[in-house]
Amino acid sequence: AQRVTQPEKLLSVFKGAPVELKCNYSYSGSPELFWYVQYSRQRLQLLLRHISRESIKGFTADLNKGETSFHLKKPFAQEEDSAMYYCALISFSGGYNKLIFGAGTRLAVHP
Amino acid sequence: GAVVSQHPSRVICKSGTSVKIECRSLDFQATTMFWYRQFPKQSLMLMATSNEGSKATYEQGVEKDKFLINHASLTLSTLTVTSAHPEDSSFYICSAYSGLGGSYNEQFFGPGTRLTVL
Repeated sequence: AQRVTQPEKLLSVFKGAPVELKCNYSYSGSPELFWYVQYSRQRLQLLLRHISRESIKGFTADLNKGETSFHLKKPFAQEEDSAMYYCALISFSGGYNKLIFGAGTRLAVHP
Repeated sequence: GAVVSQHPSRVICKSGTSVKIECRSLDFQATTMFWYRQFPKQSLMLMATSNEGSKATYEQGVEKDKFLINHASLTLSTLTVTSAHPEDSSFYICSAYSGLGGSYNEQFFGPGTRLTVL
């Protein structure tokens, strides 16, 4: 079964501390994985995708197929990083690409 | 980036009435739109996939007759919650693809609609 697991509901850190939001997935085949972010009172938006191997707002995520993980990392958290973060994978089913979301992790960065 | 709007942003209705939520892609054509439901402090659950000019594809456990989806044009999809009940109260979010084909197309999300059924 295709599944995305984010084990932490809440991650609380102080400004300047490193951050790692965990994401594990279950998928047969080669997965396409994403991180979406939802800031307070704003819509969901794409943060980064694994195929791009990019760094957005200081965040990076590496796909580890051996561990079936796609953890989101940032070396120095900022207060403006406080938001809900959702890990997601693309599932091709019924002729469509559908996003399957994890439960989400709330990141709270304290001053 | 591409913009998706939803209307209304929030609606309160009486039990037994029907409510229509619109999802529009403002600056691009979307052959496929998705409808999600989000309960408080929970993740987004895909309800259905909406395709222009054809019937929607519903996820398992989602009642087709309860949640009517119409994708009348390449820029508009509507979700109608029929005979709404308090348990239908939720945050409904739509998204739309920005392009066609390929193994991946970015989904752009609407701001969501908060439905409260009294």
